[in-house]
Order: sequence, then C-alpha cells, then structure tokens
Amino acid sequence: SQQGEEDPQALSIQEGENATMNCSYKTSINNLQWYRQNSGRGLVHLILIRSNEREKHSGRLRVTLDTSKKSSSLLITASRAADTASYFCATRSGSARQLTFGSGTQLTVLP
Amino acid sequence: DAMVIQNPRYQVTQFGKPVTLSCSQTLNHNVMYWYQQKSSQAPKLLFHYYDKDFNNEADTPDNFQSRRPNTSFCFLDIRSPGLGDAAMYLCATSRDHSGAAYEQYFGPGTRLTVT
Repeated sequence: SQQGEEDPQALSIQEGENATMNCSYKTSINNLQWYRQNSGRGLVHLILIRSNEREKHSGRLRVTLDTSKKSSSLLITASRAADTASYFCATRSGSARQLTFGSGTQLTVLP
Repeated sequence: DAMVIQNPRYQVTQFGKPVTLSCSQTLNHNVMYWYQQKSSQAPKLLFHYYDKDFNNEADTPDNFQSRRPNTSFCFLDIRSPGLGDAAMYLCATSRDHSGAAYEQYFGPGTRLTVT
C-alpha cells in the first residue's frame, strides 16, 4: 500500500511566490526524501532528511519533518518558472532498501 | 556526464510481443531498481537487485522479469506485454553501505507503448 500521501495534488503560483507541499506517511521511517520530476523525465533527488532531524535547508529548499505527526513539508522559496514539475516524497522504513513514493504534487509556476 | 542510462527512450511493441528494456550505470552502485510509472501516478517499484541478489515485490506480475549480468547493466523483460503495461519504466541506482540506504539516482526513463 502507498506509504505517502501528498497535499495538495496540484498547486499553481506566480513566479517569486513561495510554494509549500506536504507529505504524510503511515509507518515509522529511517529517512524521508524529496524528488522532483519534470514532465516525461526521470526523478531527481532534492534533499534527504533523517528521522532524527527536524529541519534541513538546501539553497531555496527547506524541508521539515515531524515524526510525531508522521508528516513532512517542502518549501520552495522565491519560485521560478523552471521549478514547474511534480514533487514526490519518498520514505524508507526499517532495513528496507526500497523507497515508497507518495502520490506527488504537481507544481506550476506561472511567469 | 550520464550516470544512469536507459535505452531506448521510447519503445513501441505489439500486444503479446516480448520486449526488453535496458539500463546501465557508471556510478558503480550495488543496488539497481526498476519502477513502473503510469500517467500522473507515483513510481511503483517492480523489483530491485542488491548486487546479484534479486528482490521481487509481492505484487509484481510474473509477466515482468529482470536480469543483472554485471554491476553496470540491468534489464527488464516483459514476456507478453498487455495494453495495461503501457507506462514509463524508470531505472534507478543507489549505494547501500552497512545497511544505510542513500538517495536514488534515476535514469530518464523508457516510455513503452503497446499497440
């Protein structure tokens, strides 16, 4: 069964605005990762946050993790048209090597 | 510098005609994955290799098989493609060191059309 659910399913904003996407999951995790997928392409890893971390930054990206609520959020600040893509959270649990992907958020940044 | 390469990028096959998709990597990662992704859905893991150790997901149909002849290459064989197998197929790799899994590196995908 799908581990992660993302919210919203679709988000449309103006260039320069911030975009926030949320991810909820069901079981305990070792780490949570965010990926971006441009239309018709493979996924690109953005950021990994471990279960003992609460917040992580990478450039214009900020990820938070609340293990008590089993949720994470991805904030993209000062968005650009090139940020238009689908964003997926993915979780790894226990000793599993595989990731379980959420349903994704389609972000559209309007110029 | 391509790291995970998938060929072909687009594949058209006929209903029931076997097809093979290929993936190669220059990262020397010990884990390779195959995912199926249908339109507007999350990638769904089919199976993965940890070195030569094959791990099949419980709900992967028998119609899907995989081979990993060496560290660099991995193949996805669809024995009798049905219309429902039309999808994007994504190959990914990762390191796996002391049980700690790292991020995955994805290829560009192969778009499979079944006619």
